[in-house]
Amino acid sequence: AQKVTQTQTSISVMEKTTVTMDCVYETQDSSYFLFWYKQTASGEIVFLIRQDSYKKENATVGHYSLNFQKPKSSIGLIITATQIEDSAVYFCAMRAHTGNYKYVFGAGTRLKVIA
Amino acid sequence: NAGVIQTPRHKVTGKGQEATLWCEPISGHSAVFWYRQTIVQGLEFLTYFRNQAPIDDSGMPKERFSAQMPNQSHSTLKIQSTQPQDSAVYLCASSLDGDWGVSAEQFFGPGTRLTVL
Repeated sequence: AQKVTQTQTSISVMEKTTVTMDCVYETQDSSYFLFWYKQTASGEIVFLIRQDSYKKENATVGHYSLNFQKPKSSIGLIITATQIEDSAVYFCAMRAHTGNYKYVFGAGTRLKVIA
Repeated sequence: NAGVIQTPRHKVTGKGQEATLWCEPISGHSAVFWYRQTIVQGLEFLTYFRNQAPIDDSGMPKERFSAQMPNQSHSTLKIQSTQPQDSAVYLCASSLDGDWGVSAEQFFGPGTRLTVL
């Protein structure tokens, strides 16, 4: 069975700094997708970035990037030049490439960006 | 593109009453998912449909909860004899047919906040 673990419950950082949020996963699938989502204070959940397990290069979208370490089953989210509006809860998730599309989510990490 | 639509946004029911929640996925998306979110349990998977067929309902409480997708434009989650512990935000999400080479991201609706008194 798949499992996603986010050990950091809450993080506070100063504005304009870089933050890394950790995520480790367990799966028996040979190929899979890894995702990060953001839930804002209003409750809206927004897709941020995705990593395909067969790709060696780390995904980057805007000021979000991933640190994918497949041997460690780890997919960290890096946010550079953080802004106040980055304050939110961040969820890590995974899904097999084919077959069952069920997502498994981590418990989430609450990020607070301080001015 | 209006995104995933969920109605109602808020619903209050009395204990023992029935609640039906509606979801309209993004047009063209073949997979529809239901989740429940609470402070204590976090984001819990309930069930999902692919091309309207139920695929995995492993997260659904076996009694009182049921989900259907009668056509490609909407899905419903029905809770019979609601209990206070059913109070939560129920989220619907949809995605494209996400096998190799095709987008697999889920797009979430705004959720329905269910309060059972």
